[in-house]
Amino acid sequence: NAGVTQTPKFRVLKTGQSMTLLCAQDMNHEYMYWYRQDPGMGLRLIHYSVGEGTTAKGEVPDGYNVSRLKKQNFLLGLESAAPSQTSVYFCASSYPTAGANVLTFGAGSRLTVL
Amino acid sequence: AQSVTQLDSQVPVFEEAPVELRCNYSSSVSVYLFWYVQYPNQGLQLLLKYLSGSTLVKGINGFEAEFNKSQTSFHLRKPSVHISDTAEYFCAVRNDYKLSFGAGTTVTVRA
Repeated sequence: NAGVTQTPKFRVLKTGQSMTLLCAQDMNHEYMYWYRQDPGMGLRLIHYSVGEGTTAKGEVPDGYNVSRLKKQNFLLGLESAAPSQTSVYFCASSYPTAGANVLTFGAGSRLTVL
Repeated sequence: AQSVTQLDSQVPVFEEAPVELRCNYSSSVSVYLFWYVQYPNQGLQLLLKYLSGSTLVKGINGFEAEFNKSQTSFHLRKPSVHISDTAEYFCAVRNDYKLSFGAGTTVTVRA
């Protein structure tokens, strides 16, 4: 049982390049999330999805797009990368239980934009 | 939206000493609170959660937290830490379908 798998684990981009981070979960979770982690700022929500075919903006959505075409996958795209997007990105998923949003996290994807 | 504030960014502590990590939340009628831990180069994992009921919540690895409504706090404690408790700890609050996290507290345990 893999849980939440993120690919790639590391990536270096040049300013202006595009890329997609893939998140896959095998727990049949309804909800999925993309967070970014920066020193001293904790985790900030970029986008999230409450079901297949639905997405919504979080706290810091600018410069990112997402898609949830299949229930088990949640893709995060950067169309034109900027140095400010250098960060560690975490995907998470959960069941839609009332109150107990216990998130299962992936191991993270470290992105550097030069 | 509800938010949490972690009052300490870094907490150095000696092995076998107690530790307390402080978290305050914004006032609300009902609140669901969580503590997550992140070991070096790993994702986050749940330590414990408060949904309702007893204000003293026990979690994994000997951690516990106390929900204090009058002080709007949810402090995390462990009576005796180990080297392996070196990690970053995050307090979080539920907002609709989402969790909002604090800035994190780095705990460094020294021998």
